Amino acid sequence: DVKVTQSSRYLVKRTGEKVFLECVQDMDHENMFWYRQDPGLGLRLIYFSYDVKMKEKGDIPEGYSVSREKKERFSLILESASTNQTSMYLCASPPDRANTEAFFGQGTRLTVV
Amino acid sequence: DAKTTQPPSMDCAEGRAANLPCNHSTISGNEYVYWYRQIHSQGPQYIIHGLKNNETNEMASLIITEDRKSSTLILPHATLRDTAVYYCIVRTSGTYKYIFGTGTRLKVLA
Repeated sequence: DVKVTQSSRYLVKRTGEKVFLECVQDMDHENMFWYRQDPGLGLRLIYFSYDVKMKEKGDIPEGYSVSREKKERFSLILESASTNQTSMYLCASPPDRANTEAFFGQGTRLTVV
Repeated sequence: DAKTTQPPSMDCAEGRAANLPCNHSTISGNEYVYWYRQIHSQGPQYIIHGLKNNETNEMASLIITEDRKSSTLILPHATLRDTAVYYCIVRTSGTYKYIFGTGTRLKVLA
């Protein structure tokens, strides 16, 4: 019954590395989102995508980029990882209609050392 | 964008009803109210949503005030497994963006 899958639960990367976080959904949704979650700050939107090859900045896009080459896959890229990007990253796939729920992945806890 | 405010934490005795309030005073007419919860180290889990009528499902009930400026999530018989952070979210009109606040940390006590 898996709907949104994130490629890793835990990652440890070094400062300056290029990091790829992958998210796959099996619901044929057009919408996919990336959030990061930090204590005391809730979930903050990084980037989202309405369709293949389309992307829009969320509230905190600095230091991140995204790629949506296929409908089911949405990748978050940290071009040069920094310690302040240590966080829990959550992928979500909201439905295409406004009155149904979004599904979230299980999260990737990224530590940058 | 409509935003929500929730108390940072609440306690509830096991077996009792948990009533979690949420204010969304700037909500627009076509925006839905959603509730999610997040158990430690997992992704958020959908609970319920509504527009203006009260809603009930197998997990919870949602009571929305007539002016739609606030709502209450009710867990009728809280169990220890309901201990989680509960998020009240308003779906931003014109996009499918979810704006999360910091939520309410509910602790169910034995």
